[in-house]
Amino acid sequence: EPEVTQTPSHQVTQMGQEVILRCVPISNHLYFYWYRQILGQKVEFLVSFYNNEISEKSEIFDDQFSVERPDGSNFTLKIRSTKLEDSAMYFCAGLAGVFSYEQYFGPGTRLTVT
Amino acid sequence: KQEVTQIPAALSVPEGENLVLNCSFTDSAIYNLQWFRQDPGKGLTSLLLIQSSQREQTSGRLNASLDKSSGRSTLYIAASQPGDSATYLCAVRPHSGAGSYQLTFGKGTKLSVIP
Repeated sequence: EPEVTQTPSHQVTQMGQEVILRCVPISNHLYFYWYRQILGQKVEFLVSFYNNEISEKSEIFDDQFSVERPDGSNFTLKIRSTKLEDSAMYFCAGLAGVFSYEQYFGPGTRLTVT
Repeated sequence: KQEVTQIPAALSVPEGENLVLNCSFTDSAIYNLQWFRQDPGKGLTSLLLIQSSQREQTSGRLNASLDKSSGRSTLYIAASQPGDSATYLCAVRPHSGAGSYQLTFGKGTKLSVIP
């Protein structure tokens, strides 16, 4: 069964550094998402991506964040200058289409900013 | 703005008990509702998905119900086992035509099943 993969599983970085989190969605999916979960808190929506552009973003997704799908398979989330409060689990998800039922989630990348 | 609430925040039961986890949402214009399981420090495992037109879904010892008009869903776990210990998350997806179909999550119910 196809699945969403994410790399790395755990990333440790220093405050102010740039990080790129990578996701390989299921190949026939059209909508892509990034969510994050700070330890002990809710899973929160960050951004959705459709037809090679951002379709919606939350208040969390400020100018420090960017997403792209550089080669038609990978889907990346970049944080330009990490802050301590960016420490969280980041989940990538995909949806095959508007009338598809289920979003498929990757296993997550744990980002630790020191 | 959709808000999802899960009660209780934590629940501890002896092995073998049946239990019910609750989820409520403020906007009934949903496309579907998903229940997930999350083990500590791990990802999200989808358990059950209920479309807005459905009343319930079953998978093994799990049964999820949906009352869209009242903004409620329940997850029933029969004959609980220690391996069921995890955090259970509820998430709703807005109806088609509303935004980008992203999920709104509750904070979860942390379940402990005592042997």
